[in-house]
Amino acid sequence: EPEVTQTPSHQVTQMGQEVILRCVPISNHLYFYWYRQILGQKVEFLVSFYNNEISEKSEIFDDQFSVERPDGSNFTLKIRSTKLEDSAMYFCASSRVYSNQPQHFGDGTRLSIL
Amino acid sequence: GQQVMQIPQYQHVQEGEDFTTYCNSSTTLSNIQWYKQRPGGHPVFLIQLVKSGEVKKQKRLTFQFGEAKKNSSLHITATQTTDVGTYFCAGPSVPGANNLFFGTGTRLTVIP
Repeated sequence: EPEVTQTPSHQVTQMGQEVILRCVPISNHLYFYWYRQILGQKVEFLVSFYNNEISEKSEIFDDQFSVERPDGSNFTLKIRSTKLEDSAMYFCASSRVYSNQPQHFGDGTRLSIL
Repeated sequence: GQQVMQIPQYQHVQEGEDFTTYCNSSTTLSNIQWYKQRPGGHPVFLIQLVKSGEVKKQKRLTFQFGEAKKNSSLHITATQTTDVGTYFCAGPSVPGANNLFFGTGTRLTVIP
């Protein structure tokens, strides 16, 4: 069964540094998402992406965050200047279409900010 | 803003006992989805409910969507150790939105 893949599985970064998290969505899916989950808490929506542009974003997704689909397969999340509170598990997800469709999640990248 | 609360937050059951988690939204949901997250894992889609009062079953799992489309429940009959994990309900933040607003989750522990 096709899967969403994320790399790296764990990223350790100094506060203030830039970090890029990478995702390869399922190949015939059209909608891509980033979520984060602070340890022990619920999953929080960050951003959705369709047709090479942001579709929706949450209040968490401020100017420090950006997303990109640099080629036909990768989908990236960049955090420009990391803060301690950015430490979390970041999940990429994809769906074939939007609204009422199941989302398929990757295994996540655990981001630790020192 | 929208709130989706789940109760209980934690539940410990003996293997073979039943388990229920309740999901309550502050706003009407166009649809609700349920996800399971194993410890250390990622959310995995279980089911989607769309119609008011809808009931769906998957083997030992029974899902309900309330008449007002503001609440939902997941009931597991005769729990097994493989049921361990956190169960989240989730719905779009506003009708037609292509995001998921997750509930607070219920963490289920099954004691063998």
